[in-house]
Amino acid sequence: GENVEQHPSTLSVQEGDSAVIKCTYSDSASNYFPWYKQELGKRPQLIIDIRSNVGEKKDQRIAVTLNKTAKHFSLHITETQPEDSAVYFCAAPPPGNNDMRFGAGTRLTVKP
Amino acid sequence: DADVTQTPRNRITKTGKRIMLECSQTKGHDRMYWYRQDPGLGLRLIYYSFDVKDINKGEISDGYSVSRQAQAKFSLSLESAIPNQTALYFCATRDNNYEQYFGPGTRLTVT
Repeated sequence: GENVEQHPSTLSVQEGDSAVIKCTYSDSASNYFPWYKQELGKRPQLIIDIRSNVGEKKDQRIAVTLNKTAKHFSLHITETQPEDSAVYFCAAPPPGNNDMRFGAGTRLTVKP
Repeated sequence: DADVTQTPRNRITKTGKRIMLECSQTKGHDRMYWYRQDPGLGLRLIYYSFDVKDINKGEISDGYSVSRQAQAKFSLSLESAIPNQTALYFCATRDNNYEQYFGPGTRLTVT
């Protein structure tokens, strides 16, 4: 089955700096890679996703890059703000794409 | 996202008790999921369902059962609760583009 590993588990940056979170996956057939943000006490919500036919996708200050050969994908947040502080989860579907396997999460803290 | 709701939001129960967590959705999605969240372990899949007649085990189904009463309703049961089932439980739906929509979560404590 699919195995998703996420690093780092915690990340602390100064406001305005960039943050990068990386995930690796095991199943080369996986073709959809979302990132979810979970604020304290709230539900996870999709912030960006990428499909295997593209290498990079941007949405304002966030971007996701995908390296299918190396089986890893990364979340990049530029010009971080205190409201970016949250837990971020990557995910990938196992064979058949019927469910989703999540990474263990990265707790990002942006210091003002 | 009020389209996916869960009841109760918080529950404290004793070891050995049966408990049911309920999930309802108004998104019209066929696929529904139950996850458990523990600190440092992310979201782990318990069960998922494609429609009323289709139920599938996830990574950690032992000690849990589910019922898909209708397209809009998917319930999770703990037949005999134990303390290590203390966790935050999320229900979710999935659209045809793979995006998942989570409910607000149920915080369950088993004493």
